[in-house]
Amino acid sequence: QSALTQPRSVSGSPGQSLTISCTGTGSDVGGYNFVSWYQQHPGKGPKLLIYDVTKRPSGVPDRFSGSKSGNTASLTISGLQAEDEADYYCCSHAGGFVFGGGTEVTVL
Amino acid sequence: QVQLQESGPGLVKPSETLSLTCTVSGHSITSYYWNWIRQPPGKGLEWIGYISYSGSTNYNPSLKSRVTISMDTSKNQFSLKLNSVTAADTAVYYCARGWGNTDYWGQGTLVAVSS
Repeated sequence: QSALTQPRSVSGSPGQSLTISCTGTGSDVGGYNFVSWYQQHPGKGPKLLIYDVTKRPSGVPDRFSGSKSGNTASLTISGLQAEDEADYYCCSHAGGFVFGGGTEVTVL
Repeated sequence: QVQLQESGPGLVKPSETLSLTCTVSGHSITSYYWNWIRQPPGKGLEWIGYISYSGSTNYNPSLKSRVTISMDTSKNQFSLKLNSVTAADTAVYYCARGWGNTDYWGQGTLVAVSS
């Protein structure tokens, strides 16, 4: 299983919306509705933001939303805040699981 | 509150076996799925494998020949063994709960492979 493809970095200004893509194949992203997203701040462990493509765990702000079309999943951050500056990883079921390479989000 | 804590040597010699244990509190490992995930310094996350509540396992195909995950329900722990390690196995190793919704993670432990 190959790593899912994410943009290396994206940036936005406070208050803007920002979308991170996660592209796989029919054997992972496109084949299952089991895509999750994680946020990781420097020196910290990952935090679950989205699971099963669109579901948010309790405590995660509704500014974070997930979607999927074909072999590409997306994470959208609405109303970007300074604290959203972090690395973001997608993950998909693929028999086992496979992560994306990660996207660094910069808040300008 | 569910808590996970990794433990084990922070330094392993090349060609030897990396062994880590994850101690879980606040939840029995006889339910849910229990994962090992690693992150080389400055790089992304890599799923290593999981063990289920029933003891069944699933491993990353790229590591499958070298990995064993086991559980000790009496101690509420699960463990990772990775044999024939090289410098490429140097990483922060995390244990985590969940199947597709990995909601609780340990703090991670850095394991360096070096002679």
